[in-house]
Order: sequence, then C-alpha cells, then structure tokens
Amino acid sequence: GQQLNQSPQSMFIQEGEDVSMNCTSSSIFNTWLWYKQDPGEGPVLLIALYKAGELTSNGRLTAQFGITRKDSFLNISASIPSDVGIYFCAGRGNSGGSNYKLTFGKGTLLTVNP
Amino acid sequence: NAGVTQTPKFQVLKTGQSMTLQCAQDMNHNSMYWYRQDPGMGLRLIYYSASEGTTDKGEVPNGYNVSRLNKREFSLRLESAAPSQTSVYFCASLGSRAFFGQGTRLTVV
Repeated sequence: GQQLNQSPQSMFIQEGEDVSMNCTSSSIFNTWLWYKQDPGEGPVLLIALYKAGELTSNGRLTAQFGITRKDSFLNISASIPSDVGIYFCAGRGNSGGSNYKLTFGKGTLLTVNP
Repeated sequence: NAGVTQTPKFQVLKTGQSMTLQCAQDMNHNSMYWYRQDPGMGLRLIYYSASEGTTDKGEVPNGYNVSRLNKREFSLRLESAAPSQTSVYFCASLGSRAFFGQGTRLTVV
C-alpha cells in the first residue's frame, strides 16, 4: 500500500527563520496537498499541487510537487508565532482503486519561539 | 457554505455500546473519507467512498462500518465500541481539494 514519510517529525525555530519540511512516497501520486492543524481543530488546507514540477505559493508558504511525483516540499519563510501547529502532507494515488485514497504523512510539529 | 459538518463533537461510550458518527458535505463532492487521529500516528484512513453507492476499506477498518447514504452523507458506525477506539475522528470530502470537518472526540471507557 501507499506510504508517506514526512520529515522532520518536529522543529523548534526562532521567529523570523525559514522552515522546510518534506514528504516522500513509496509510490507515485497525482495530487499533493499540505495542511495545517491547530489544537482541537480539523486540518485546514494550505496548498494543493496537481502537476509534477509545480511550484505554488500562498503568502509566506511555498510548496513544490517533485518531478519524480514521489515527493513534495513545503517551505515557510520568515516564520511568526502563529505558524505554530502540526503540518501534514497528503497524497492522492495514481492507479486503479487507490486513485481515490488520500494518504497522510504523520505530521511535522512546528514550534516558533518569539 | 457549511463545507463539511460532523456530529457529534464529543461522545463518551461504555465498552460494548454502539454509535454512529454523522458527516455531511454541501460541496457536491464525489469522494468522502473517515480518518482517526491518535498521538504520534497522524491521520489514518478507516474507510472511504469514491462515489455514491461505493465504499472501500482503508488502513484501519476493523471494528467499523460505513454507509454512503447519498452523495451528501457518509456515516461511520461502531457496533461494539472498545477502548482502543478512543480517538479523534475526522470526516473529509474531496473534489479537487480535500476539506475536513471539525472532528469528533470519542472516549470509550
């Protein structure tokens, strides 16, 4: 089955620093999604990627769909305290019945020190 | 403009009791999903429904059943709750993007 490896598991950074996190897959995906989850809330979509090589920005966030279609990256520039939370990658499969599965990484816990 | 609505938000069950978690979406999406979230485990797929009338097992289906009642609604049922099913449950709906409900915090004692 599809597996996603997300790294790092956690990050502790100073306000103003840039952040990078990534996900790799054992199989090809045709959609990559990045989410942020605040405590007690459901995940909220940050960025959606649909094509290999695609680079998309949402304010200080930038995400890329890897050329191999097996990885994706999320960068946050000039972090601020409200960036604190858990970030998840998710991939949607590319073959047969698994095309409808949406598989999640285990998350990256981001802590920003003011 | 509700997006994905889940009920209830909180529930405490005794071992062996049954309950149904309800999920409805108003975005006309074909695909709907049920996940559970446990500390350190991320979001694990329980069941999904690619379209009305179809359901498939995900990663952790044991102890659960689902019903895709119509295009809008996808329910998750626990027939005989166990303490291992204590978790936070999320419903999601997918068009070109996936949107989540606010979650159901379930405790089984």
